[in-house]
Amino acid sequence: DVKVTQSSRYLVKRTGEKVFLECVQDMDHENMFWYRQDPGLGLRLIYFSYDVKMKEKGDIPEGYSVSREKKERFSLILESASTNQTSMYLCASRAGGAGELFFGEGSRLTVL
Amino acid sequence: AQTVTQSQPEMSVQEAETVTLSCTYDTSESDYYLFWYKQPPSRQMILVIRQEAYKQQNATENRFSVNFQKAAKSFSLKISDSQLGDAAMYFCAPKGEYGNKLVFGAGTILRVKS
Repeated sequence: DVKVTQSSRYLVKRTGEKVFLECVQDMDHENMFWYRQDPGLGLRLIYFSYDVKMKEKGDIPEGYSVSREKKERFSLILESASTNQTSMYLCASRAGGAGELFFGEGSRLTVL
Repeated sequence: AQTVTQSQPEMSVQEAETVTLSCTYDTSESDYYLFWYKQPPSRQMILVIRQEAYKQQNATENRFSVNFQKAAKSFSLKISDSQLGDAAMYFCAPKGEYGNKLVFGAGTILRVKS
């Protein structure tokens, strides 16, 4: 059974803290994505990676960075968390081309 | 840049009846793909159905089918014989032929009444 696993379902952090969200996929997919989901706004792409150590900014990269040191793992980093980063974060992966996106269960982050 | 509009924030349907969720999009590309994804409450997002824009025939997956009108840039999802398990948030998402980005709509919450 294919899987995308996000390390934390729920996190509570304080303003200014550094936050790591981890995502691992077991499908040997080249492409991995981080989305942010907010009510009324749908999913917005933060960053994606098409290969190890390769990354591209999505539509809302400000305040975020990413790391992909291994093919199966894609991390989202909030260098200094702010309250406006309180949201649901979804990781997804896909093989090349126009294949299906496989999603993790999501990480709900609250920044106080 | 692609934009997506799902004009129905919420829809309700009686069990066993049919419901249609609407989606319109804007793209400058001639070849692209269109997806509907389903997000059940507290569960992972999964693919419902996919349509290639170059195909004239509408895609069908069991009780799910689409009405794809390329000229109108419309891509609606029809769910027949609705079941309680269909209750979820549904997202429409186009993707260009090249590149990696899907653009998601704001979503439609579907409630199924027994």
